[in-house]
Amino acid sequence: NAGVMQNPRHLVRRRGQEARLRCSPMKGHSHVYWYRQLPEEGLKFMVYLQKENIIDESGMPKERFSAEFPKEGPSILRIQQVVRGDSAAYFCASSPPMGTANYGYTFGSGTRLTVV
Amino acid sequence: GEDVEQSLFLSVREGDSSVINCTYTDSSSTYLYWYKQEPGAGLQLLTYIFSNMDMKQDQRLTVLLNKKDKHLSLRIADTQTGDSAIYFCAESMETSYDKVIFGPGTSLSVIP
Repeated sequence: NAGVMQNPRHLVRRRGQEARLRCSPMKGHSHVYWYRQLPEEGLKFMVYLQKENIIDESGMPKERFSAEFPKEGPSILRIQQVVRGDSAAYFCASSPPMGTANYGYTFGSGTRLTVV
Repeated sequence: GEDVEQSLFLSVREGDSSVINCTYTDSSSTYLYWYKQEPGAGLQLLTYIFSNMDMKQDQRLTVLLNKKDKHLSLRIADTQTGDSAIYFCAESMETSYDKVIFGPGTSLSVIP
């Protein structure tokens, strides 16, 4: 039973390029959350998705960032025209259907994005 | 509002007890969690406590919750070098879903 799978583990992009981060939730989990961890900072909530729906994107920057969780396939966090300040670790977490997240999220190992 | 605070660093000697403290602001929190992050890895759930509990013990881990003061602590007994990591306090908000807000993390260093 694989956990939350994120890929790639490391991603290097030049300024202005696009970054695509993928997350496959745990089997049986229908809720996906993206968090960003800046160097020496805590995790900041970005977005919460269910299949084909964005439930809460209050933590997403208004420009250049988007997220989706299609009916088939992994959840994608897309960052367009990356800048140096986007360099961070991006973590995906998943949980079972609503009401059972009291057992906590299951986190992936993260994608470490470096913008050069 | 949503805010979770922790001290950023803690250093203890191997074999001693570690106590990591956390304060939160939202009185409607339902669950409170402790996560552990080892270098280069994701977060691993260590333990959680429901907001109507005062204490929870799990092997070397003891969680204390003072709901009146909105204070949560994690005690690690007989701290080992393998316990060196960043420990995140988190709260689950009582919203339409279980949104989890994390603190900045406490970096625990265990001195042999």
